[in-house]
This record gives sequence, C-alpha cells and structure tokens, in this order.
Amino acid sequence: AQKITQTQPGMFVQEKEAVTLDCTYDTSDPSYGLFWYKQPSSGEMIFLIYQGSYDQQNATEGRYSLNFQKARKSANLVISASQLGDSAMYFCAMRELNTGNQFYFGTGTSLTVIP
Amino acid sequence: GAVVSQHPSWVICKSGTSVKIECRSLDFQATTMFWYRQFPKQSLMLMATSNEGSKATYEQGVEKDKFLINHASLTLSTLTVTSAHPEDSSFYICSALPGVSSNTIYFGEGSWLTVV
Repeated sequence: AQKITQTQPGMFVQEKEAVTLDCTYDTSDPSYGLFWYKQPSSGEMIFLIYQGSYDQQNATEGRYSLNFQKARKSANLVISASQLGDSAMYFCAMRELNTGNQFYFGTGTSLTVIP
Repeated sequence: GAVVSQHPSWVICKSGTSVKIECRSLDFQATTMFWYRQFPKQSLMLMATSNEGSKATYEQGVEKDKFLINHASLTLSTLTVTSAHPEDSSFYICSALPGVSSNTIYFGEGSWLTVV
C-alpha cells in the first residue's frame, strides 16, 4: 500500500485566494512526522511545514497551515492568499520515527497560481 | 536554517565515463544522508541511504556497482555514476538528516545529469 497519497496531480488557484492540497497517509507506527515540501522549477526542495503525530494543534508557518486529521489520516496543506511565486510542485512526506530514518514521498501536486 | 550544498548543479558527460556528485552539510553533522533520483514531473525515488563510516543501503532495483555511494565524513557524501549511459540522465538530489530525533531533513539543490 502507498504510504503517502496525493490525489491531485494538478491544481489551479486564483491569485490571493486560498488553496488546499490533499494528502493522506498510511502507517501503523504511532510516532510519525508529516512534512510538506515545495519544489519550484529550479529543482530545489524547500521545507514548508512539519506536523508531529502527537502534536495537539495544527501546524502553521506564515501563509501555510496543515489541516491534520489524525483519525482520517490526512494532512492537507492550506496555502492562504496565494501568490504567483507559489506556483510549483508540492510534495507531502512522512517519516515513521520507530521504523527507521526513511522519508516516504507522495507523487506530488503541481500548483499553478493564475493572475 | 540548515544548509546542504550539492555540487555540481549541472553536469554533462560522455557515455561510458563516470561522474561524481558531492553532497555536503555545511552547518551540521549528518550521520545519515539520502540520495534520490527524480524523473520529470515525478516524485523523488529513494536510491540509497548513506550512513557515515558504513556501507550504503541501496533500495531494491538500484545497482550498487553503478551508483557508488561513499559517506566518508559526517559532512560529506558522494554519489558516483559509473560507466554512465544516456538512460542515467536525470535529476539527482541528496538530503541530510541532522540527527535521529530531527524533525526534518534538509535537501541539497540537486544535480542535473545529462549523458550524451
């Protein structure tokens, strides 16, 4: 089974609007971390936000927030007030803390911000 | 934030030659580094996990004799593509884990390899 599932290959959003990028995960490890990375066309991977499995509150970092629904095993990324520079690939990732150091990545979502 | 430097950013080599890509953690010691390969419009594919002072652990289907990984120090891991062929052309990206309890990994800038 896929560890990380991103069901939206591509998304469009109007500039200044909010957008939600979906991510669901599968793990039996009670201790895990969830991550979102942004990859612009240059290729670099930019860390955006982190959510620990035991964190009580949803993580927020500036315009990024993570909608963590543990029972549903979802960790959607919400980008508020979209900017043209937000156009990029976005990857959801998970690390199982008790079973090794490996990070599992989803297939990514290509976000295009429309002026 | 933590910085991981990858070099070279771009490299073009002839078929049959070898090319080395370096991954350095600049402001932390990385006991573990990861090497990924990424095809256009696709996700990162883990090639191997590199632990300082020990042999790399390769993922299934990755040829260890073709993709040589050396993690000689806590700040440097290298990936050598031996006897490169055009099908090895890809984007290679490394990442480093500052410690077992670290909340995240830090990525290098990536290296675009073109084999002609």
